[in-house]
Amino acid sequence: ETGVTQSPTHLIKTRGQQVTLRCSSQSGHNTVSWYQQALGQGPQFIFQYYREEENGRGNFPPRFSGLQFPNYSSELNVNALELDDSALYLCASSEGGRRETQYFGPGTRLLVL
Amino acid sequence: LAKTTQPISMDSYEGQEVNITCSHNNIATNDYITWYQQFPSQGPRFIIQGYKTKVTNEVASLFIPADRKSSTLSLPRVSLSDTAVYYCLVGDGNTNAGKSTFGDGTTLTVKP
Repeated sequence: ETGVTQSPTHLIKTRGQQVTLRCSSQSGHNTVSWYQQALGQGPQFIFQYYREEENGRGNFPPRFSGLQFPNYSSELNVNALELDDSALYLCASSEGGRRETQYFGPGTRLLVL
Repeated sequence: LAKTTQPISMDSYEGQEVNITCSHNNIATNDYITWYQQFPSQGPRFIIQGYKTKVTNEVASLFIPADRKSSTLSLPRVSLSDTAVYYCLVGDGNTNAGKSTFGDGTTLTVKP
C-alpha cells in the first residue's frame, strides 16, 4: 500500500504566474483535501474532492482551483500568484464517508517572489 | 465545524507523561475528535481518534469526558522525538471526511 505522494517538493514562482501542484492519494481512498499552511500556523482547508467532484471549499478565492481524476489523484491550480501564497501546500486523502482520518502527503513548499 | 482551543506550547522532559487538553465547547453529536502530530516541513500524521470515554493505541491515549466538551491526549513516557506540533480536530466524520479546521496546535518541546 503506497502512501500519499506530492510533487514537486519545492517550487519557486514569481508574482502573477500560475502553478499546478499534484497529489496521488493513498490506495483505496476516493477523497482528497488540499490545505495551505503558512509558517507557524495550522493547515487551512482549501477544498475537497470526492469522486471527481468538488465537495466543500474553504475561504479561498476562485483563483485556487482543482481537479480530481478517475484514479483519484488530484491537482491544485493557483492563478495570478501573490506573495502571500508562499506556503506549504498539503494534500490529504481519506475514505469518503468514513471517520475523519486523513493521511497527509509531505507537502509542496511554494515560494512566490 | 466546531472550533477548538489548545495551549500554544508545552515543555516536558524525557520519560514523563504528557497530557495536552483541547476544548471544543460546541462539539456536535456526530463529531469525532482526532489528534494529529506534525514535524517541521512534513504533513500531519494521524495519532488517535475517539468519540467518547477512552481510546488507547500503541502511541497514545485519548480521554473524553461525558459532556465531550474537551478531550485530553496523553503521551506516555515521551522521548526527544516526540517534539512536534499536536493538533486537535473536531469534525463530522459521517459525511465526507476531510473538511477539517486546524487551529494553531500545541508545540510540545521534550527536553533531555
